[in-house]
Amino acid sequence: AQTVTQSQPEMSVQEAETVTLSCTYDTSENNYYLFWYKQPPSRQMILVIRQEAYKQQNATENRFSVNFQKAAKSFSLKISDSQLGDTAMYFCAFMKQNRDDKIIFGKGTRLHILP
Amino acid sequence: DAMVIQNPRYQVTQFGKPVTLSCSQTLNHNVMYWYQQKSSQAPKLLFHYYDKDFNNEADTPDNFQSRRPNTSFCFLDIRSPGLGDAAMYLCATSREGGRGNTEAFFGQGTRLTVV
Repeated sequence: AQTVTQSQPEMSVQEAETVTLSCTYDTSENNYYLFWYKQPPSRQMILVIRQEAYKQQNATENRFSVNFQKAAKSFSLKISDSQLGDTAMYFCAFMKQNRDDKIIFGKGTRLHILP
Repeated sequence: DAMVIQNPRYQVTQFGKPVTLSCSQTLNHNVMYWYQQKSSQAPKLLFHYYDKDFNNEADTPDNFQSRRPNTSFCFLDIRSPGLGDAAMYLCATSREGGRGNTEAFFGQGTRLTVV
């Protein structure tokens, strides 16, 4: 069975700083997807960034980037130039590249951006 | 425009009184998921559908049932809600599960209170 581990329950950083959220996972699969989802206090879950395991290049989306280390099964999220609106719960998630498979979430990291 | 719509946003039900939560989608996605999320915890998958194929998680209580009458709609039925079932219930959809450029789209959730 696949597991996703986020070892940082809560973090705080000053606005405009860079912050890195950690995630490790365990799987015997070779093909899969990894995601970072953001859940602001309003509670709607939205996708931040996605990584396909077969791609060696790390995904980037504006101020968000990942450090994907497949051999180490590590998938960290870096937020550059953090903004107050980045305050949210961040969930790391895993999905096998398989018909109709499910998304498995880590326990989340609560991120506070301080003014 | 909302793509995954959950109704109602807030639901109060009496202990033991059956309740139904609904989810609709305009994305024409094959896969629909129901997650239970308790405060400050990760979403926990209850079950998911690939088209009409139903996949129940092994640890989902029998008290929870689901129906998917067509591609657009999916319902979560709680037959006899207990106090422990108070939570946010999240509906999500994805296209072709783990194939292609996939991600899950979430609704805003239904917050269930049991009194």
